[in-house]
Amino acid sequence: NAGVMQNPRHLVRRRGQEARLRCSPMKGHSHVYWYRQLPEEGLKFMVYLQKENIIDESGMPKERFSAEFPKEGPSILRIQQVVRGDSAAYFCASSPTSGRGNEQFFGPGTRLTVL
Amino acid sequence: GQQLNQSPQSMFIQEGEDVSMNCTSSSIFNTWLWYKQEPGEGPVLLIALYKAGELTSNGRLTAQFGITRKDSFLNISASIPSDVGIYFCAGAALTGANSKLTFGKGITLSVRP
Repeated sequence: NAGVMQNPRHLVRRRGQEARLRCSPMKGHSHVYWYRQLPEEGLKFMVYLQKENIIDESGMPKERFSAEFPKEGPSILRIQQVVRGDSAAYFCASSPTSGRGNEQFFGPGTRLTVL
Repeated sequence: GQQLNQSPQSMFIQEGEDVSMNCTSSSIFNTWLWYKQEPGEGPVLLIALYKAGELTSNGRLTAQFGITRKDSFLNISASIPSDVGIYFCAGAALTGANSKLTFGKGITLSVRP
């Protein structure tokens, strides 16, 4: 039973380029969350999605960042025109639709470096 | 916004010792969770707590959901070298339902053999 998968594991971009991060949830999970982690910090919530819907994007910067979770395929976190401050580890988590919906299972993360 | 406080930032213990970590909040959370993260990996769920006062164990780990719903603690008994890592507490406003998690900054645990 595969866990949450993220790719790429490492991504290097120059300032101004676009970054696309992919996340495939655990089998049977239809809820996906994206978090950002800076060094020596905890994880900060960005966005929560269900299939084809954004449920909560209260943690996502208003500009340059977008997320989707299409009917088919992985969830995508897209960062346009990256800046050095976007360098961080981005984690995706998924959870089941059940009474234990708060139990989020995390992927290995994508480490984004902006040069 | 809501914040979870974990201190100290680092803890150093001897193999075989017990260790306790606390997590506090200025606001109420209705679900508390504890995660462990190792270098280069994502957080791994250790224990989830759903009810105020609840005490739950997972092997050598025991966690409690504070009665005020503003704190939780995690205890690791008889520590071993593989307990090394960063331990995060996390809280959710809702009980059981899907929603975002708020994380503490984590405590880095070192275990001396």
